[in-house]
Amino acid sequence: NAGVMQNPRHLVRRRGQEARLRCSPMKGHSHVYWYRQLPEEGLKFMVYLQKENIIDESGMPKERFSAEFPKEGPSILRIQQVVRGDSAAYFCASSPLPPGGAGDTQYFGPGTRLTVL
Amino acid sequence: DAKTTQPNSMESNEEEPVHLPCNHSTISGTDYIHWYRQLPSQGPEYVIHGLTSNVNNRMASLAIAEDRKSSTLILHRATLRDAAVYYCIRPVGNQFYFGTGTSLTVIP
Repeated sequence: NAGVMQNPRHLVRRRGQEARLRCSPMKGHSHVYWYRQLPEEGLKFMVYLQKENIIDESGMPKERFSAEFPKEGPSILRIQQVVRGDSAAYFCASSPLPPGGAGDTQYFGPGTRLTVL
Repeated sequence: DAKTTQPNSMESNEEEPVHLPCNHSTISGTDYIHWYRQLPSQGPEYVIHGLTSNVNNRMASLAIAEDRKSSTLILHRATLRDAAVYYCIRPVGNQFYFGTGTSLTVIP
C-alpha cells in the first residue's frame, strides 16, 4: 500500500507565477489535510478537505490560495501570484476517518519545497 | 493558550532510554494525544497515540498521566536513526496542532 504521494518534491517559481502542488492520499483515504512549514518552525494547518468538499479552510490565507479535492484525481493546492514569503515546505496528510476519535491518525507525504525567487 | 508545551531540545546517549515530556493541560476529555517525529527534509512520521491508558508499539511507549494533563514518549533504546524533532500533538477542531517540538540529539 503506497503512502501519501506529493509532487513535485521541489518547485521553483518567480514572483508573480502560479504554483500547483499535488497530493495523492493513501488508498481508501477520503480525508486530506494541507499544512505549511516555514524554516525552523512547526507545521501550521491550512485546509481540510473531503472528496469534492472543503470542510475547514480556516488556516488558509484568504487571497491567492485555493485547494480542491476532486472526485477523481489528486488534491491540488494552488498558489497564485506567488511572493517570496510563500517559500516553505508544504505537506499533505490523509486519513481514513474524519477528525476525532481513535482512527483519525494522519499520514503525511514527503512534502513539496517551494522556493520563490 | 499554549496548547502543548515541550522542551526545545534534549540529548541522549545511544542505546539508552529517552523520556520526552509534553504538557497539554487544557486538553479535552475525549481528545487523543498523538506523537509524530520529523527527520530533516522529510514529512512527519506517526509514532504513537493514546487516550487514557499507557500504549506500546514497536517504535515507542506512551505514558499518559492520570489527569491527562501531561504525557511522556519513551524510546526504550535510542539509536542514531532516532535523532529527529518529536512533536506532541493534540487535535484542535479539524486540525492537528503542531507546537515547536523537541529536537532530540543522539550521542554515539
